[in-house]
Amino acid sequence: GQNIDQPTEMTATEGAIVQINCTYQTSGFNGLFWYQQHAGEAPTFLSYNVLDGLEEKGRFSSFLSRSKGYSYLLLKELQMKDSASYLCAVRDNTNAGKSTFGDGTTLTVKP
Amino acid sequence: DVKVTQSSRYLVKRTGEKVFLECVQDMDHENMFWYRQDPGLGLRLIYFSYDVKMKEKGDIPEGYSVSREKKERFSLILESASTNQTSMYLCASLDPSAISGSDGNTEAFFGQGTRLTVV
Repeated sequence: GQNIDQPTEMTATEGAIVQINCTYQTSGFNGLFWYQQHAGEAPTFLSYNVLDGLEEKGRFSSFLSRSKGYSYLLLKELQMKDSASYLCAVRDNTNAGKSTFGDGTTLTVKP
Repeated sequence: DVKVTQSSRYLVKRTGEKVFLECVQDMDHENMFWYRQDPGLGLRLIYFSYDVKMKEKGDIPEGYSVSREKKERFSLILESASTNQTSMYLCASLDPSAISGSDGNTEAFFGQGTRLTVV
């Protein structure tokens, strides 16, 4: 099975940079996903890593180290609308493409 | 855009009732999933399906069943609702044929969620 750990809460200031970490233990790995979820809404896809290294997409970047079972999501130039829960998810290597989700990190951006 | 639609945004049911949560996707995805989301416990997989009439138990299937009679529709059934099934239920779908492709990063698309309260 999979085990995912990420911090429960984080607070940052508008315009700053914040890094949300995720560690995982897995019995099969076929990619790590980050989703954003605003309160009362569905999760939406942010990023995907399957190889080691950094993937950059605008203000958001995601990093993966498979040997360390570690990923982070980096958010730059924080905006108030970035206040949300950020979910780390690991996909297994079966054809079903099941993902195991972390509990989510609630990010609060303050003025 | 992929659209995953759940039949209800909010539901209130009584203990012992049979409850149907419906999910429809319009992108011909083979794989569909039902999760529940609870504070401090994250998203937990209840059941999933990778083909019509095929279903597999997830991590917490007890008290639930599913039905996949058509490719686009995946239903979650609570045979006899209990108060501990009060939760946010999320349906998701994905295209597994893209996982092993050159892109390989097909993400799951989620419905808007159904907040079920059992009283």
